[in-house]
Amino acid sequence: QKEVEQDPGPLSVPEGAIVSLNCTYSNSAFQYFMWYRQYSRKGPELLMYTYSSGNKEDGRFTAQVDKSSKYISLFIRDSQPSDSATYLCAMSPYNFNKFYFGSGTKLNVKP
Amino acid sequence: NAGVTQTPKFRILKIGQSMTLQCTQDMNHNYMYWYRQDPGMGLKLIYYSVGAGITDKGEVPNGYNVSRSTTEDFPLRLELAAPSQTSVYFCASSSGQGRSGAYEQYFGPGTRLTVT
Repeated sequence: QKEVEQDPGPLSVPEGAIVSLNCTYSNSAFQYFMWYRQYSRKGPELLMYTYSSGNKEDGRFTAQVDKSSKYISLFIRDSQPSDSATYLCAMSPYNFNKFYFGSGTKLNVKP
Repeated sequence: NAGVTQTPKFRILKIGQSMTLQCTQDMNHNYMYWYRQDPGMGLKLIYYSVGAGITDKGEVPNGYNVSRSTTEDFPLRLELAAPSQTSVYFCASSSGQGRSGAYEQYFGPGTRLTVT
């Protein structure tokens, strides 16, 4: 069983839609949860991070963590064509020596 | 600041050849990482380092070696290249400190390697 599972998509939505991206994980030691955005042929860049369970909002983006279900989500409101990219979830246990990434979900926002 | 730089950008190797992928960061970060990304797959950690002189294996270390003699540089060595090592390689760094610094990894632009 993979440590982190993520639906690869692709996910295609019209501009202005609400997008929901999800990951599940199996390792209960994960404490830190991150979402990275990766444009084509570029390195990933950090979008949001959360610690333990709960919600965090940053502009049009909301990250949710449910540790009891081992499930994390990223919501994008009022999606824009510039949001078209691959979104990777990542997790780390109590230290930051190792990060475990999902396979990424490819999102396409149509004008 | 240039951030994280990687060289070369592209490389084609023949089976059995060796090469070194270079990675340099100018942010004085203690933590550095090497990942590989295969098509449709996430990033897999190859090796990481928590400071000069300290390295450790990640998920997929076989066929690779690293060294960290300075804070800035973290080269990845491929010995006896195999087709299974065809991938995109990303180097990343992190301060490992502070509220957001520990979470945020800064990635280089990647090296696209093909082994034939």
